[in-house]
Parts: sequence; C-alpha cells; structure tokens
Amino acid sequence: GENVEQHPSTLSVQEGDSAVIKCTYSDSASNYFPWYKQELGKGPQLIIDIRSNVGEKKDQRIAVTLNKTAKHFSLHITETQPEDSAVYFCAASSPPSNTGKLIFGQGTTLQVKP
Amino acid sequence: KAGVTQTPRYLIKTRGQQVTLSCSPISGHRSVSWYQQTPGQGLQFLFEYFSETQRNKGNFPGRFSGRQFSNSRSEMNVSTLELGDSALYLCASSLTSGSDTQYFGPGTRLTVL
Repeated sequence: GENVEQHPSTLSVQEGDSAVIKCTYSDSASNYFPWYKQELGKGPQLIIDIRSNVGEKKDQRIAVTLNKTAKHFSLHITETQPEDSAVYFCAASSPPSNTGKLIFGQGTTLQVKP
Repeated sequence: KAGVTQTPRYLIKTRGQQVTLSCSPISGHRSVSWYQQTPGQGLQFLFEYFSETQRNKGNFPGRFSGRQFSNSRSEMNVSTLELGDSALYLCASSLTSGSDTQYFGPGTRLTVL
C-alpha cells in the first residue's frame, strides 16, 4: 500500500552544521512532496515543497532534492540554528491526483545544540 | 490573511460520547482536509472536502464523518468515542483540490477518558 519511510527518526547537530533528512515513497504516481516543520503545541508548518517535474528547489538555508527513479527525496538544512529544532515531516501526494490526500513519514526530531 | 482556525483547541470527552470539531479555512480556500495525529500512528489522512463534496476518505471507521458548508468551513464528527480516538485532529486548507499546497491549523487536542 501507500507508504512513506523517513530517516532518521532523531537527529542531533551542532549549531552551524548541516542536517539531512531522507524519505522514500512507494507510489510512483505521487507527484507532490511537501516538507513540514512542527513545533510543540502547534500544527505543521509548510517549509518547502517540490513537484515531480523539478529535481531540486532551494529557499535560503533549506533545499529539497527529488529522485523520481529511486523514489526518494531529501531535505537539506544548512547553517542550522537552535530555532530549527523541531519535528520535521515529509509527505507525498497520494493518487488520484485530483484529491488532496497526503501520506506522511513518521517524522524526524531535529535538535540543534548551541 | 488569517490562517486556518480550529475550534475548540482542547476537548475532553468520555467513552461513548460524540464530538464535533470545527475548521475555518484560509479566506478563498475551497478545500479542507482532516488528519489525525497520534504518537503511535503519526499523521493519518481522514478525509478531504472540496466544494461541499467529499473527494477522498482515509481508512477510518464510519464513526468518523465530516461535512463542508457553502462558505468552505468544515466540521468533523466522531461518534461513540473510544479511548483510541484521543489524538490531535488537524485541519488543512488549500486553494483547490488535488496536489495543491496545504496549510495546517493549530489542531484540536481531543482526550477521551
């Protein structure tokens, strides 16, 4: 069935280092891949997304790469700051493509140590 | 623009009761999706509404239902509550249906005793 695997489940880095989170999806028909950041007591906040016709997208310190052949996508955060500490979720759209169903990974808890 | 709002933010119910949660999407957004978030199962899709029609439904029992009004506001209802229904219920809105960017609200924390 539909599935998104996310690794690692926890990640601890020093401030200023880079962080990479990887996801693999199962349905080759998925065409939209958002990343969300969730802080304690809040709803998920969209930080970046990518569509299947693009291989890479950047927004300041955040970048996402997509490999459709291997069915995996990754989130890269450079120059991490303590305020980047949160839980990060990847997601993949679930066909049929005319509905908004997202399949989420299990989340990565990122801790940035000052 | 105001974001997605959900009411109430916190709710405590007992087993067997029913509950109704409300979601107001971002102004102009016509699609509303609902998700259940638990520590064990993570974020799971419940259903999506677009123009008052249910477009898709997740793998949840019939006790979970929803609807959307002509102003795009949505409600979800859970009947005959079980302990396992304790979760954070999240609503997300998007401009249209399909693979469109979804913006989440703060959620309603439901505790079933």
